Amino acid sequence: DAGVIQSPRHEVTEMGQEVTLRCKPISGHNSLFWYRQTMMRGLELLIYFNNNVPIDDSGMPEDRFSAKMPNASFSTLKIQPSEPRDSAVYFCASSSPGQGSYEQYFGPGTRLTVT
Amino acid sequence: GESVGLHLPTLSVQEGDNSIINCAYSNSASDYFIWYKQESGKGPQFIIDIRSNMDKRQGQRVTVLLNKTVKHLSLQIAATQPGDSAVYFCAETMGRRALTFGSGTRLQVQP
Repeated sequence: DAGVIQSPRHEVTEMGQEVTLRCKPISGHNSLFWYRQTMMRGLELLIYFNNNVPIDDSGMPEDRFSAKMPNASFSTLKIQPSEPRDSAVYFCASSSPGQGSYEQYFGPGTRLTVT
Repeated sequence: GESVGLHLPTLSVQEGDNSIINCAYSNSASDYFIWYKQESGKGPQFIIDIRSNMDKRQGQRVTVLLNKTVKHLSLQIAATQPGDSAVYFCAETMGRRALTFGSGTRLQVQP
């Protein structure tokens, strides 16, 4: 299994531009999570989906952030318009209830730099 | 690689020694805990987990201890190796909800 796949791995953009981060969870996993990691705030949950339905988006910073999961194998996190304070590493993770644990498998992350 | 944190508490140990990394969790209702390892430039990687109905669980070279009375979790690594150098996070959850991560501890293994 290829694991959780994220793209792009690195993104540099100018303030005000739209940014779209992509995630492909592990096949068969029905939960998907978006996290943000910064030096100041550590790892923070932004939103998570169960069976493609958003369950908790209380961690989404503001209306500039949106996430979708149109099907079981794809999710996007969009920032529009982007701001320098959005610079961080964004991780996607997936998990499956059938494994008997709550383990989440993380992707390699997308490093976002907004100038 | 991605910078995890410049001001993380750091534990420095000699190769071959045992390491103990501690974590205080916040929610007394949490029923499941995980330790993750994060190497530079990579996502967090599962090490070991424990449910709240247990107080100890052992894996290969690692042991997790849970003290629910004081809401404390520890990770013990036996015979620490240079490849163990990383940032270690504890995470907690209640039910099947998303994980809440601690702030992390950097482990540095001196050869």
